[in-house]
Amino acid sequence: RKEVEQDPGPFNVPEGATVAFNCTYSNSASQSFFWYRQDCRKEPKLLMSVYSSGNEDGRFTAQLNRASQYISLLIRDSKLSDSATYLCVVTGTNKLIFGTGTLLAVQP
Amino acid sequence: DTEVTQTPKHLVMGMTNKKSLKCEQHMGHRAMYWYKQKAKKPPELMFVYSYEKLSINESVPSRFSPECPNSSLLNLHLHALQPEDSALYLCASSQDGGGDRYNEQFFGPGTRLTVL
Repeated sequence: RKEVEQDPGPFNVPEGATVAFNCTYSNSASQSFFWYRQDCRKEPKLLMSVYSSGNEDGRFTAQLNRASQYISLLIRDSKLSDSATYLCVVTGTNKLIFGTGTLLAVQP
Repeated sequence: DTEVTQTPKHLVMGMTNKKSLKCEQHMGHRAMYWYKQKAKKPPELMFVYSYEKLSINESVPSRFSPECPNSSLLNLHLHALQPEDSALYLCASSQDGGGDRYNEQFFGPGTRLTVL
């Protein structure tokens, strides 16, 4: 089993749609969780940290379920500029573990 | 200033060349990282420096040699690389790299390396 698993997509959605990405992780001792966004041929950029209580930043909402070892990212009112790969990231032993990423393509 | 800078942006080298990649951050971060990323794959950790000391080497071949001259700078020295080493090399930094309580990592724009 991979340490961090994500659906690779692609998710093709129309502008204005709501889209949700899920991620599962295997290490129950992981303490920190993040979503990063990576545009084609660019570096990963931190989108948001994920807290147990859930957190929201504008159109983006992240949730963490420690019991199920599951993280989610919800994007509301999708924009063309949201098209990117979304990486689920979890702390491992002294390092970050990256999921393989989910590709989102928002269509006009 | 929340920026991590990397030079050069692009590098083409032969298998017998010696070159260096450079990374700099001025955020006062005490942990710095080198990653390698191939197309359509996630970043793969190579090295971690914490408080200027090498704390993780992910079994990287010795043709890659990291160096941390001070808390703001990180170099990656390259020698006798193979064509399969062609990739995007990313540098990142975080406030503190200790233990499992990792702070967010901030990435530089990367160096796109091609080995002929």
